[in-house]
Amino acid sequence: GAVVSQHPSWVICKSGTSVKIECRSLDFQATTMFWYRQFPKQSLMLMATSNEGSKATYEQGVEKDKFLINHASLTLSTLTVTSAHPEDSSFYICSARDWVAGVQETQYFGPGTRLLVL
Amino acid sequence: DAKTTQPNSMESNEEEPVHLPCNHSTISGTDYIHWYRQLPSQGPEYVIHGLTSNVNNRMASLAIAEDRKSSTLILHRATLRDAAVYYCILRDKNSGNTPLVFGKGTRLSVIA
Repeated sequence: GAVVSQHPSWVICKSGTSVKIECRSLDFQATTMFWYRQFPKQSLMLMATSNEGSKATYEQGVEKDKFLINHASLTLSTLTVTSAHPEDSSFYICSARDWVAGVQETQYFGPGTRLLVL
Repeated sequence: DAKTTQPNSMESNEEEPVHLPCNHSTISGTDYIHWYRQLPSQGPEYVIHGLTSNVNNRMASLAIAEDRKSSTLILHRATLRDAAVYYCILRDKNSGNTPLVFGKGTRLSVIA
């Protein structure tokens, strides 16, 4: 089946620095990718929808200037956590669907990136 | 998408069948029932989905009630590797390429 990869799998950074997370669809083209965040013992929360060639759509309460999303190609979306702080420490998961209109296609998820901000 | 209700946690013995329930009393006629699971420290993975008829695949079976107000994910022989959080999600067939919305799911523990 389709595969979504993420890099890095984990990252530790100092407070105030920026961190970039890459998400790639490996064997399909994704005009849309989704970014989720998951805190310990909680469910996945949608952060934003990333659209190739246009601006991302952010969920309510997610700061677009803090979580920069770039969807430069049909197989790559990046999430940059700018000026990271300890409260941004979380498990970030990207996702995409090899979508065909009218078909209930599977949504594939990356393995996640664990971010720890010191 | 309509809401689902799942037990917070369940426990199973290894090599025994597991029945994971999901209630969705407000399901609409165009809602598909999807099941995903999330193993520890990993992204979610697809398990199975269905609309009205029961479905089987290599991972599990999905039994859907006749009135569609509930469904059950069946793992025929639980292994330690099946320990995960299982999410039951409804998704309208006309929702286009929109993201899945996750509830709290059921945390399945498998005992050796």
